[in-house]
Amino acid sequence: AQSVTQLGSHVSVSEGALVLLRCNYSSSVPPYLFWYVQYPNQGLQLLLKYTSAATLVKGINGFEAEFKKSETSFHLTKPSAHMSDAAEYFCAVTLSGSARQLTFGSGTQLTVLP
Amino acid sequence: DTGVSQDPRHKITKRGQNVTFRCDPISEHNRLYWYRQTLGQGPEFLTYFQNEAQLEKSRLLSDRFSAERPKGSFSTLEIQRTEQGDSAMYLCASSFRATSGSYEQFFGPGTRLTVL
Repeated sequence: AQSVTQLGSHVSVSEGALVLLRCNYSSSVPPYLFWYVQYPNQGLQLLLKYTSAATLVKGINGFEAEFKKSETSFHLTKPSAHMSDAAEYFCAVTLSGSARQLTFGSGTQLTVLP
Repeated sequence: DTGVSQDPRHKITKRGQNVTFRCDPISEHNRLYWYRQTLGQGPEFLTYFQNEAQLEKSRLLSDRFSAERPKGSFSTLEIQRTEQGDSAMYLCASSFRATSGSYEQFFGPGTRLTVL
């Protein structure tokens, strides 16, 4: 079984500041890890994914995440926040090579202050 | 590629009524998933199909819920005798096997159900 914990249900940053959203996972086998973003009343958009290749993964909109096996973490970062980054972010895990379901964290609402 | 579409986008119903939602996946995707998302939570898996075969169902999928994908293309999710606890966003996703071996899931905009 796998699970995801997102620390901090709400994060506020100033425009131009570093964004750091935390995700820790638990998996009995090597995982595949994903970050999705959700804007109000919309579905989820894939930001980036880790599939056992490079541990530092770059995604869309300037986001990146680093897979750290020793810390069972997959934190999402962006060097400089933009107002348009305000949204809810979900970390998700699935078993490597699996076509089965994603297990999501409870989400982190990111607010960007002017 | 027009993305995953869902219909309707919003549904308001009275307790005890039946509702049906439709999902049209990306055309070349053979896997289709249903998730439920309640306010302030991440999506929770309900069921998934490979082509027309329903391969897995969550314990969340009570006997009032049924999903079909009759020709391996679009899918329907029906909820019978709706309860107020069924109020949620119902998300559909489809996937294909990427060269990395992972299955990237692409989500539709969701159907928001409100049960009065």
